Amino acid sequence: AQTVTQSQPEMSVQEAETVTLSCTYDTSENNYYLFWYKQPPSRQMILVIRQEAYKQQNATENRFSVNFQKAAKSFSLKISDSQLGDTAMYFCAFLRGFGNEKLTFGTGTRLTIIP
Amino acid sequence: DVKVTQSSRYLVKRTGEKVFLECVQDMDHENMFWYRQDPGLGLRLIYFSYDVKMKEKGDIPEGYSVSREKKERFSLILESASTNQTSMYLCASSLDFGQGQYFGPGTRLLVL
Repeated sequence: AQTVTQSQPEMSVQEAETVTLSCTYDTSENNYYLFWYKQPPSRQMILVIRQEAYKQQNATENRFSVNFQKAAKSFSLKISDSQLGDTAMYFCAFLRGFGNEKLTFGTGTRLTIIP
Repeated sequence: DVKVTQSSRYLVKRTGEKVFLECVQDMDHENMFWYRQDPGLGLRLIYFSYDVKMKEKGDIPEGYSVSREKKERFSLILESASTNQTSMYLCASSLDFGQGQYFGPGTRLLVL
């Protein structure tokens, strides 16, 4: 079974700074997908970024980028120029590359952006 | 934009009651999911469905059942609510494998 570990339950950073959220996972699969989801306070969970394991290039979406280290089974999220609207719970998730679409989530990191 | 809606944002029920949580998506997605979210545990999959009338158990199906009579609607049923089912329930849907799931706003259920 796959496991996803987010070792930072809470983080805070000053507005405009850069912050990195860590995620490690354990799998014996070679083909899989990784995701970061954002859940703002009292609001809907949204997909931030996705990475396909067979792609070497790290995914980027505007201020959000990942550092995908396949050998180390690490998938960290970097938020540049952080904004107050980035305050949220962030969940890392793993999807096996075949079969059903059953996501395995980490326990989340609560990120607070300080004005 | 994909829209996933859930019938209630907040719900209070008594122990032993039968509880229905409804989820509707408007983008003709094949796959639908029910999760519960608890502090320190992340999201855990209860059930999912990849087609009408098809369902599969997730990681924590005990005490729950589901129904999918129409493609756009996926219902979660608590047959006899218990206090340990007090939680946030999230519905999600997806179209293509590996593209990510779209979530509803969640239903916060309190069982007294």
